[in-house]
Amino acid sequence: DAKTTQPPSMDCAEGRAANLPCNHSTISGNEYVYWYRQIHSQGPQYIIHGLKNNETNEMASLIITEDRKSSTLILPHATLRDTAVYYCIVRVAPDSGNTPLVFGKGTRLSVIA
Amino acid sequence: DAGITQSPRHKVTETGTPVTLRCHQTENHRYMYWYRQDPGHGLRLIHYSYGVKDTDKGEVSDGYSVSRSKTEDFLLTLESATSSQTSVYFCATGDRDRYLFYEQYFGPGTRLTVT
Repeated sequence: DAKTTQPPSMDCAEGRAANLPCNHSTISGNEYVYWYRQIHSQGPQYIIHGLKNNETNEMASLIITEDRKSSTLILPHATLRDTAVYYCIVRVAPDSGNTPLVFGKGTRLSVIA
Repeated sequence: DAGITQSPRHKVTETGTPVTLRCHQTENHRYMYWYRQDPGHGLRLIHYSYGVKDTDKGEVSDGYSVSRSKTEDFLLTLESATSSQTSVYFCATGDRDRYLFYEQYFGPGTRLTVT
């Protein structure tokens, strides 16, 4: 799987949008971008994934650049409960089987009241 | 979230003793995984299974063995625990959903301390 680069930490004011960047310049055409988060001491939780189109669900939005070399996870109205480590993961297409996830060090997001 | 339980949730053991961690799922997922998490390393894959009796090694498999005799249980064994195996261990499961998408669901973790 391609490697990803994320900033080690970010702060965000409560109620504001949190924009978490991820670089994946070596991504292949059949690789998806996935985002997971891990709240302190808990197991990681799936947030969203995408291939090349922007995606939105009840938790977040994912913006992928046209060249697919970077992406941004957006939490539209961050709350204190969004404080967590966020992992950007690049992974082969779903029909290739449930391949293991390769975690980097992620971005530690601190939401401040 | 998938029904995933891990047991025990906490364990302290001595160097050289055998230890078995259990992961149990109620979702009938084909795939199961064991990860470990250490400060400064993030989560690293130990072993995974793609079906009953079908397992494969991950990034950090030395010193660990696994077994999967039925769909719902995936056991991780440390034959002779060492202090370097002090870690938090996470189990995960996954399968294809109705959107043909594979997601992984994680258990609550087991904190293992080897003294």
